[in-house]
Amino acid sequence: DTGVSQDPRHKITKRGQNVTFRCDPISEHNRLYWYRQTLGQGPEFLTYFQNEAQLEKSRLLSDRFSAERPKGSFSTLEIQRTEQGDSAMYLCASSVGQTSSYNEQFFGPGTRLTVL
Amino acid sequence: GESVGLHLPTLSVQEGDNSIINCAYSNSASDYFIWYKQESGKGPQFIIDIRSNMDKRQGQRVTVLLNKTVKHLSLQIAATQPGDSAVYFCAEPGGYQKVTFGTGTKLQVIP
Repeated sequence: DTGVSQDPRHKITKRGQNVTFRCDPISEHNRLYWYRQTLGQGPEFLTYFQNEAQLEKSRLLSDRFSAERPKGSFSTLEIQRTEQGDSAMYLCASSVGQTSSYNEQFFGPGTRLTVL
Repeated sequence: GESVGLHLPTLSVQEGDNSIINCAYSNSASDYFIWYKQESGKGPQFIIDIRSNMDKRQGQRVTVLLNKTVKHLSLQIAATQPGDSAVYFCAEPGGYQKVTFGTGTKLQVIP
């Protein structure tokens, strides 16, 4: 499978614990995105990387959230001191492009987080 | 700022009939729209897009119509099949490649 992959697919944690999700983009895709999707809603943008540089962060990304893409390939999203409101599907997407023009984003299957 | 929203949260259609999913947007400067399909347990999948210099664009069994006067777009699916059952989002790319999604319409195909 050469699509975007995410791990784990499901995560159940207790409030206050830290969690980390991983995203592997499509090979050669230089752009990587994280979105959050709550039940019945559309995905909401969290952050965007071009290669290893994090170029944009939504105000939804509080201080408890941190995302990295150290080598410009895979990315991790960490949530510290999880809260019940963090329960959501966390989606990763990737695309290829060099200009400011939009390039089609390919989404992974998501990681569903449940905070008890 | 830009925003997209849908008129109906759920649409039930008989298999073989045509489906029409509607979407309204608020920013008259919006110039590019995308329709996504999201099946249960999967991420959104690109279906078709349209730029503001077009009124209509056709794909395989899908057609998107854009009415800039009333800031409305629609997705038409011809001969709806069970595999079309999913949630459909209209969306708009913005700065820094950020895509803003609407709430979504759930399409249920009745066999």
